[in-house]
Amino acid sequence: EVQVVESGGGLVQPGGSLRLSCAASGFTFSSRWMHWVRQAPGKGLVWVSSINSDGRTTNYADSVKGRFTISRDNAKNTLYLQMNSLRAEDTAVYSCVALKDVGYWGQGTLVTVSS
Amino acid sequence: QAVVTQEPSLTVSPGGTVTLTCGSSTGAVTSGHYPYWFQQKPGQAPRTLIYEASNKYSWTPARFSGSLLGGKAALTLSGAQPEDEAEYYCLVFYGFGVFGGGTKLTVL
Repeated sequence: EVQVVESGGGLVQPGGSLRLSCAASGFTFSSRWMHWVRQAPGKGLVWVSSINSDGRTTNYADSVKGRFTISRDNAKNTLYLQMNSLRAEDTAVYSCVALKDVGYWGQGTLVTVSS
Repeated sequence: QAVVTQEPSLTVSPGGTVTLTCGSSTGAVTSGHYPYWFQQKPGQAPRTLIYEASNKYSWTPARFSGSLLGGKAALTLSGAQPEDEAEYYCLVFYGFGVFGGGTKLTVL
């Protein structure tokens, strides 16, 4: 059974940092591109970042470029998102997604940026 | 960055057929943009329905199909059911990904 479970969300002050994790199982994590997607309360889906199977190629939305860093540990089947210089507009549920023929979403972890 | 456009809302009668589309501000959506379609019901995580324009998953109901149509990605629902009422999002890749704004589908 495919599972992706995000963790690491919480309340953080503007300008602060958080590190999200995503534990994956049930598919060959080490051979898959992985993505982070976010959804602010009551809003649509926003693609945030992606990383290729060996971690050497990454892509970012303009809104997070230079502040967020995606990475992965294939030995631990885990995806990460390091978020720095957080802003109020980064408040959202962040989900880890395996696309292509896996097509699986986690339930997400809520990040709230507020003073 | 590119803008991906979807119909804000559509209504379909039970048993009817409706096509949702996904366009790109940069030109035609092609297979090289690897378009995806997702369904999201209130309070639930999104569910992936279609990958790379037309490929289905084991959980994708047979009444849903994806295609490239007139320079856009398209999701066709044939034989709409009440449980298909949801928000539908497309995702297109330009190296980076961009979601459309979503289509609220009402089955009425």
